Amino acid sequence: AQSVSQHNHHVILSEAASLELGCNYSYGGTVNLFWYVQYPGQHLQLLLKYFSGDPLVKGIKGFEAEFIKSKFSFNLRKPSVQWSDTAEYFCAIDYSGGGADGLTFGKGTHLIIQP
Amino acid sequence: EAGVAQSPRYKIIEKRQSVAFWCNPISGHATLYWYQQILGQGPKLLIQFQNNGVVDDSQLPKDRFSAERLKGVDSTLKIQPAKLEDSAVYLCASSLPTWEDEQYFGPGTRLTVT
Repeated sequence: AQSVSQHNHHVILSEAASLELGCNYSYGGTVNLFWYVQYPGQHLQLLLKYFSGDPLVKGIKGFEAEFIKSKFSFNLRKPSVQWSDTAEYFCAIDYSGGGADGLTFGKGTHLIIQP
Repeated sequence: EAGVAQSPRYKIIEKRQSVAFWCNPISGHATLYWYQQILGQGPKLLIQFQNNGVVDDSQLPKDRFSAERLKGVDSTLKIQPAKLEDSAVYLCASSLPTWEDEQYFGPGTRLTVT
């Protein structure tokens, strides 16, 4: 079955630390890749997405992700985190590769930034 | 721009009872999705509509779950009868049906089955 693996379920960092959250998927064909974030008390919202082109994708709030096809990975990074980055982060894949299709989500990573 | 609206926000029912959730997508969004998010897991797609037609309902437990999208706008998801394992947050999302468009999520309905 098609799946999405997020390696870290809970991450605690201090402000200004660098962040990398892992995401791997199970399919070798064409996929569309997303990172969503859910801040406390808010809706899921899109951080960034990759459909094609430059495998290094920049999103909102200083986040970026790199698509490495050979490793089936789409890791999320931020060079210097802030307290306001405390949230739940979800990696999601559109396995159809066709756009506007249902997503397969990972289990999420709960990130806590300590001031 | 108004976001995706869902109601109710919270619902507590006993097992074997019925429940319905409502979703109003962003105006002009032809594609509508229902996801189930159990505590500690990521959202799981239940059903996808394109206008008022079903595109994918392969993960919808059809013996107890049903969904409709009359007139291609609002949608209702129903559970009848509910089981304890249906306790979850039910998320509605919508998107334009075009390449590279993101899904916009509503606040969700938190269902507790006792």
